[in-house]
Amino acid sequence: AQKVTQAQTEISVVEKEDVTLDCVYETCDTTYYLFWYKQPPSGELVFLIRRNSFDEQNEISGRYSWNVQKSTSSFNFTITASQVVDSAVYFCALSEAAGGFKTIFGAGTRLFVKA
Amino acid sequence: DAMVIQNPRYQVTQFGKPVTLSCSQTLNHNVMYWYQQKSSQAPKLLFHYYDKDFNNEADTPDNFQSRRPNTSFCFLDIRSPGLGDAAMYLCATSRAETAVDTEAFFGQGTRLTVV
Repeated sequence: AQKVTQAQTEISVVEKEDVTLDCVYETCDTTYYLFWYKQPPSGELVFLIRRNSFDEQNEISGRYSWNVQKSTSSFNFTITASQVVDSAVYFCALSEAAGGFKTIFGAGTRLFVKA
Repeated sequence: DAMVIQNPRYQVTQFGKPVTLSCSQTLNHNVMYWYQQKSSQAPKLLFHYYDKDFNNEADTPDNFQSRRPNTSFCFLDIRSPGLGDAAMYLCATSRAETAVDTEAFFGQGTRLTVV
């Protein structure tokens, strides 16, 4: 079964605060990929980060960092020093080898960053 | 430069009148996807092509069809649009189903209104 849950519907922060977006995934496959996408008001989904099931390290890229806890099937995404331009809907997504690597999405978390 | 291009950005159609949405890509990717995204919901996969092989999701209504005449172009045909088909339709591409780099690249979407 392939499922992604984002429990946070909306988050509001003040600029320069750090913010963490939560994601819980379900998969029966041993080979899978996890993603975070950003959807600004313009509508286009923008790929942010990817992690595969064999990655062991948590990573940082600029102001973005992500943390996978396999024991809890969580894939959390942190934006450090948030900016107004980070305001968007963020989607966590999963693709499985067994599913032909089609990507399914969580319901999304709307992030508001206030100046 | 846009790599996945969807036309038109906005489409208004009449109830029951066939409509076609188009997508083109300059990435030469093997896989092309069509997603339906209703307001405040996650993108839902309708179907995808791996080269010329068509893969329909089990719950995609028969009202939705797709054509991929060549690598660069893919079309979504809605044979008899109903009010419930009003949504944003997103086209995406990825390099290959089993490659390491499986992230999808999205177009800006076509917002369909049914009147």
